[in-house]
Amino acid sequence: GAGVSQSPRYKVAKRGQDVALRCDPISGHVSLFWYQQALGQGPEFLTYFQNEAQLDKSGLPSDRFFAERPEGSVSTLKIQRTQQEDSAVYLCASSLSGRNSGNTIYFGEGSWLTVV
Amino acid sequence: AQSVAQPEDQVNVAEGNPLTVKCTYSVSGNPYLFWYVQYPNRGLQFLLKYITGDNLVKGSYGFEAEFNKSQTSFHLKKPSALVSDSALYFCAVRVMNYGGSQGNLIFGKGTKLSVKP
Repeated sequence: GAGVSQSPRYKVAKRGQDVALRCDPISGHVSLFWYQQALGQGPEFLTYFQNEAQLDKSGLPSDRFFAERPEGSVSTLKIQRTQQEDSAVYLCASSLSGRNSGNTIYFGEGSWLTVV
Repeated sequence: AQSVAQPEDQVNVAEGNPLTVKCTYSVSGNPYLFWYVQYPNRGLQFLLKYITGDNLVKGSYGFEAEFNKSQTSFHLKKPSALVSDSALYFCAVRVMNYGGSQGNLIFGKGTKLSVKP
């Protein structure tokens, strides 16, 4: 596709419910990132994939958060037993190469999660 | 530790005047620096980046940024502001890890730019 696509755009979940957020990166992009952006804050890194390998998950806030990219393209971020503090925008981003830090990282529109 | 600071929460500018949004960074090694813009209820849009070479980088929508190694700064500038430039601006630095390959971006907290007619 032309850009990074995320779904759903908006999700309201009841506390304790599990949610799954999908990301379709730009075609051919090796690297995929997930970020969490709380209201009024800058994005905070969650996890990074190079193809299907999850190279860094140091930003995942708890073991309720899980991400996968099984075929090296589409990725899913899953949050189990959602809590109110999980309410945020979840941004997916991708870039072309796994080894060139000069590559631009392109972001999707985000999935806006509200836990009630 | 690598970090980015945006010292101003908000910048107010009159339309037609020049604007500057400040960013300073702290990195080990060569910095890879980026600016993104975020409009309300939207994702981040890439504006420009500094990797190497000319210290003055030109980007989208007439924006430019000046890399200053001695001051560890990467301020965003535009000669003549438009009302439509009003948005949230984020400076970011690229982390180097994974054995020298690319890593994630570390963002500043953002600066709200307000351009009045």
